Parts: sequence; C-alpha cells; structure tokens
Amino acid sequence: ETGVTQSPTHLIKTRGQQVTLRCSSQSGHNTVSWYQQALGQGPQFIFQYYREEENGRGNFPPRFSGLQFPNYSSELNVNALELDDSALYLCASSFGRANEKLFFGSGTQLSVL
Amino acid sequence: AQSVTQLDSHVSVSEGTPVLLRCNYSSSYSPSLFWYVQHPNKGLQLLLKYTSAATLVKGINGFEAEFKKSETSFHLTKPSAHMSDAAEYFCVVSGSNDYKLSFGAGTTVTVRA
Repeated sequence: ETGVTQSPTHLIKTRGQQVTLRCSSQSGHNTVSWYQQALGQGPQFIFQYYREEENGRGNFPPRFSGLQFPNYSSELNVNALELDDSALYLCASSFGRANEKLFFGSGTQLSVL
Repeated sequence: AQSVTQLDSHVSVSEGTPVLLRCNYSSSYSPSLFWYVQHPNKGLQLLLKYTSAATLVKGINGFEAEFKKSETSFHLTKPSAHMSDAAEYFCVVSGSNDYKLSFGAGTTVTVRA
C-alpha cells in the first residue's frame, strides 16, 4: 500500500451536479497531482498542487478546480458534470514538484448519468 | 511536448515464457521514462524509471527496460511471466523537472496457465 487514500471509492452523480473528491497524501509529501483515467485509456494530467498552490494544469476546463490544505491533503471539485466526466480519478502524492517518485491512490470511480 | 505510443493494446503469454511490452517515445529533449503497472482495483505502481543514467534499467518483480535513443524506444521485458503479472501496463514520459506525466494508452497483459 502507498499510504495515499482517496474517498469515496465510488460515486454516482447526474449531469449538471457538482462533485468533490478527496485525497489524503502520504506522510511527509507536500505535492499532490490529480489524473483522470477514462475507460480503456491512460491517465490524463488534470493539475498539481505544491504547498497549497496550483503548480501546473493540463488541458481541462475551469469547471475542474482543486484545493490543497495545510496538511497537504487535497480536493478535486468538478462543477456542471457532463457524461464524459465519467472516469476513474487518481490522486498521487510526492515530495517536491518533479515526478521522480509518485505514489498513487486506488482512485475514485465517478459515474455520471 | 512529449508523448508515448504503446504498440500493443493486448499481450497474451504462457506462464514461464518471456514478456515483451513495446513503447516508443517522442520528446524534444532528454526525457525521463517510466513503466507503471495497474492491477484491478489498485493504484498505479512504479515498476522502473530511466533518468539519463544507465540505459538498461532494472525494476521490481524481475522487470527491466532498455532505453534506445536511436530507436526512440523503451521496451519492457521479463524473462519468465508469472500469473501475478496479469495487469495493465503503462509507458510514461516526463520532461526533466516536469510536473506532469504523459501516459500511453496501456497494454493489457494476460498470463495463461
């Protein structure tokens, strides 16, 4: 186990709703990255938070937003859910902004109906 | 920009036979390359990484990969497959000190008894 925990493990929402996903990073890590993995595809980078500030962002619309708290846990918020947002959302923690060693959680499976 | 192409979407091998997973990369500068494995209902786990040191990289569970700049390839191999190797494998590229990972589409490995 990596020590990165995500909640909830599964979630069902309807189109237009808002959702918040949570991630608790491994002890000692100050960076959290979020990825979206659609069915049958590789994960796609959403954004990264380093010491409570957004450090980089992938090609996702502004309705995808995030937060990192002083204890380095993180939230991913998605507004105005669309059917295509159905995916596995992965959180990864690390120490520092580079990607030499990421520890991934098991993910939150989001279904949008 | 960097990207990876995994040349096989599915690989099926018999237990005890060699495994070869093929990956080509595209990068405008010296990349960092990784292989990750994803077992069902589990998070992504780092198998090995290349970061401009030795071109032959040894990882966990008997896996290794060879970086070939002339062929822009980073193929993953294992001499003898085990039933527990059945999983999804991702080839991943990142720029040095980059904040994001770019994943391939994945290769599903099945191991026949």
